[in-house]
Amino acid sequence: QTVVTQEPSLTVSPGGTVTLTCASSTGAVTSSYYPNWIQQKPGQPPRTLIYSTTIKFSWTPARFSGSLLGGKAALTLSGVQPEDEAEYYCLLYYGGAYVCGSGTKVSVL
Amino acid sequence: QVQLVQSGAEVKKPGASVKLSCKTSGYTFTNYGITWVRQAPGQGLEWMGWISAYNGNTNHAQNLQDRVTMTTDTSTSTAYMELRSLRSDDTAIYFCARDWGAYCSRPSCTPAAYWGQGTLVTVSS
Repeated sequence: QTVVTQEPSLTVSPGGTVTLTCASSTGAVTSSYYPNWIQQKPGQPPRTLIYSTTIKFSWTPARFSGSLLGGKAALTLSGVQPEDEAEYYCLLYYGGAYVCGSGTKVSVL
Repeated sequence: QVQLVQSGAEVKKPGASVKLSCKTSGYTFTNYGITWVRQAPGQGLEWMGWISAYNGNTNHAQNLQDRVTMTTDTSTSTAYMELRSLRSDDTAIYFCARDWGAYCSRPSCTPAAYWGQGTLVTVSS
């Protein structure tokens, strides 16, 4: 069974920078996994922020960026704002189906 | 504007089936696919599957493919997800989401971009 692993939690100060990663149990993550990053705040539906590793939507704040880093997909938040406190999930594609990561709780303190 | 309105909460007994709806508006239904994702209480997201309203192609998560059926009704611009043989661990909020790009024949073609509000399904005896 494929497992997608993320950091359980990260803490960042307002204005700071934090990088979340997304690893696959099958090996290095590449662009062929079409990494998606999804933000979810308590009591709200998810919101997709980034797809195909790096591509943003019109609603994605400029401070969010996606990349591949050391064999993992990565989401970097630069100049973090209090409203960025949320759970973040990555989504990787495995030849027919996506698998969600376990999620990273980002706290802004 | 694109809207996805999901059906109301359901309470089911173990072994029963549930069929959830996702009524869409604001776009040409047959041009876009619909993804289904669920979230158990206090847990993370689980990708369940995807259906193309364009050509009817479906893809399912391996652990659910024997129990889940995704369909669309083009006359009402509504997507449906039926889950059979319900168990207590199927208790979750179920979300539908519309594709970003049109005319896709596989889920990797385009991301889910517009999300419904979710439907709570409770499975309890």
